[in-house]
Amino acid sequence: GIQVEQSPPDLILQEGANSTLRCNFSDSVNNLQWFHQNPWGQLINLFYIPSGTKQNGRLSATTVATERYSLLYISSSQTTDSGVYFCAVRMDSSYKLIFGSGTRLLVRP
Amino acid sequence: DTEVTQTPKHLVMGMTNKKSLKCEQHMGHRAMYWYKQKAKKPPELMFVYSYEKLSINESVPSRFSPECPNSSLLNLHLHALQPEDSALYLCASSLRDSVTDTQYFGPGTRLTVL
Repeated sequence: GIQVEQSPPDLILQEGANSTLRCNFSDSVNNLQWFHQNPWGQLINLFYIPSGTKQNGRLSATTVATERYSLLYISSSQTTDSGVYFCAVRMDSSYKLIFGSGTRLLVRP
Repeated sequence: DTEVTQTPKHLVMGMTNKKSLKCEQHMGHRAMYWYKQKAKKPPELMFVYSYEKLSINESVPSRFSPECPNSSLLNLHLHALQPEDSALYLCASSLRDSVTDTQYFGPGTRLTVL
């Protein structure tokens, strides 16, 4: 089956710093979503981005489908950005979203 | 409105209890999902309902029994659970169960089995 790898596994930032999270996947996908899971467990949709670039405030994402990776950029990080960031993918031949193992982010004041 | 609601937020139950988790969405979505998430792990799919019919059961033990009474509501009935079933249970929905549809998640029910 498809493999989804996220890096780095853990990241600690000072408030105001920028960061880049990476998601590599081993096969062509038709669906790629980025989620933020806050400390209370809620999975919040950030982007639906099977290809191209999107921006939403301080967050932006780029997926290069031909090279099988996606990047999530967080600029001017805030303590509320802390939590776990998951990328999840789905292929045409698959009936389910496959999640990466996540990047655990801690933003310190 | 992209809201999926779940009740209760927290649930503690004994191994002989019967309880139910509830999930609701009013986005007109026709696919609904149950996921289980253990600590420090990603969510794992349990069940998929498409147009109120169970379409996927990921070999989940029969002590978990899903039900979809209508297009807005999804229940998960729990009976004779084990302590290892303690986890965060997440519900999600999407427009249809199509590969290109975005899934939206509820806030989860944190379950503890004593």
